[in-house]
Amino acid sequence: EAQVTQNPRYLITVTGKKLTVTCSQNMNHEYMSWYRQDPGLGLRQIYYSMNVEVTDKGDVPEGYKVSRKEKRNFPLILESPSPNQTSLYFCASRAATTGRQPQHFGDGTRLSIL
Amino acid sequence: RKEVEQDPGPFNVPEGATVAFNCTYSNSASQSFFWYRQDCRKEPKLLMSVYSSGNEDGRFTAQLNRASQYISLLIRDSKLSDSATYLCVVNRPGTASKLTFGTGTRLQVTL
Repeated sequence: EAQVTQNPRYLITVTGKKLTVTCSQNMNHEYMSWYRQDPGLGLRQIYYSMNVEVTDKGDVPEGYKVSRKEKRNFPLILESPSPNQTSLYFCASRAATTGRQPQHFGDGTRLSIL
Repeated sequence: RKEVEQDPGPFNVPEGATVAFNCTYSNSASQSFFWYRQDCRKEPKLLMSVYSSGNEDGRFTAQLNRASQYISLLIRDSKLSDSATYLCVVNRPGTASKLTFGTGTRLQVTL
């Protein structure tokens, strides 16, 4: 089954404790992306990757890091999480690097930073 | 002006009603348009792409008006299961890979 898998689904942690949210897709998609969703603000792009070893900032990259060592994986790293990073996070992938292809989203990761 | 604007709703409609959502976008050079559906606390899922000539998928019809820079979604014969938030999505010109999401319009279909 074609899917985007995120882990963990839920995480409550404390300020400053490094965490990683994993994302994996089994569709051999080139393009992967991370979003955060907050009430009233919609989905905002954090980082994206157009292929292995190619990553770029989205609209709200501050406080986040990503890596793309393999095509299927695109982890999101919070080196020193802060309460303003409490949010619902989605990983997404799509087949092509152009914007004409629809994106497939993971189930989401709900992060609470205390 | 926001890149993509939607009326947040909620739209409360009875089962069987026809409901329409509009979405405006600010960049006239945008080329790709989509409607996504998002259920509460779930991931967004593609509902339909929006083509220049308009397109229909069962009870759903999407229209694009480039001159006025808006897209619309019409749902006929609403079902309870249509209750969700509908996200308008537009590509950002000049950046092949970026999509901009509207904040969504919430629909509640009632008996």
